[in-house]
Amino acid sequence: EVQLLESGGGLLQPGGSLRLSCAASGFTFSIYTINWVRQAPGKGLEWVSSISGNGDRIHYADSVTGRFTISRDNSKNTLYLQMNNLRAEDTAVFYCAKNGEGGIASGPNWFDAWGQGTLVTVSS
Amino acid sequence: DIVMTQSPDSLVVSLGERATINCKSSQSILHSSNNKNYLAWYQQKLGQPPKLLISWASTREYGVPDRFSGSGSGTDFTLTISSLQAEDVALYYCQQYYGTLPTFGQGTKVEIK
Repeated sequence: EVQLLESGGGLLQPGGSLRLSCAASGFTFSIYTINWVRQAPGKGLEWVSSISGNGDRIHYADSVTGRFTISRDNSKNTLYLQMNNLRAEDTAVFYCAKNGEGGIASGPNWFDAWGQGTLVTVSS
Repeated sequence: DIVMTQSPDSLVVSLGERATINCKSSQSILHSSNNKNYLAWYQQKLGQPPKLLISWASTREYGVPDRFSGSGSGTDFTLTISSLQAEDVALYYCQQYYGTLPTFGQGTKVEIK
C-alpha cells in the first residue's frame, strides 16, 4: 500500500523558515516524481513544487520561487521542502503527492496518492 | 500558465439524480503527439486529502465506482456522477498536467438536496 506521511508543520512568524518532510513507503520511491500541493484554509488546491525521481528536474510555482527549495533523499525514501521568508499567505495545509505515471526524469503529471497533510501557519 | 475554470461553483442534486461539473481550460490540453487530453479529476471530502478519480480526461482510477465518468476534449471537459449517492458529497477539482506547471480549477461543491 502506498503511504505518504508529512511532518514538520507548525506556527511561525512572518519571515521565518521551516522544513517539511514527507516519508514514503509502498512503492519504488526513486522512480517517481513527487510534488508538494498546498491548500489555504477554506480555499482550493495549489501546486507548489515537484522533483523528479533522480532529482534533476525541479519546478516551482511562481508564488514560491526563490523562497522554497524542494529536495529528496532516495536512500531514506523522503521528500523535503525548505521554506524561507514565509508570508501570511503561505498559511496552508501542505500535502505531498505522488505522480501517477513513473519516470525518473518526469515532470509533474496527475497525482494518484496523497498524504494527510501538515499545517503551516504564518502569523504574527 | 494554463487557467482552469470550473462551473458551477456549487451544485445541489437529489439522491439518485445526475450531477454534472464542467471544467474549461484557457488553452487546449489535447496533445497532438498522442491524442490524449492531459486532465485529471479529484474528489475531496471534508477533512481529507484529495482522491484521484480520473486521469487522461476519461480513464477511471482503479476502484472508483462506474457512476463517475469523465468526458470532453481540447478545452472543455465534464465530470458526471450518473446517480448521486450520499457518500459523493464533496468538493471536486479538475487539474491540467499539459503545461510544465500543473494547475487546478477552483473546485465545485456537490451537496444533496
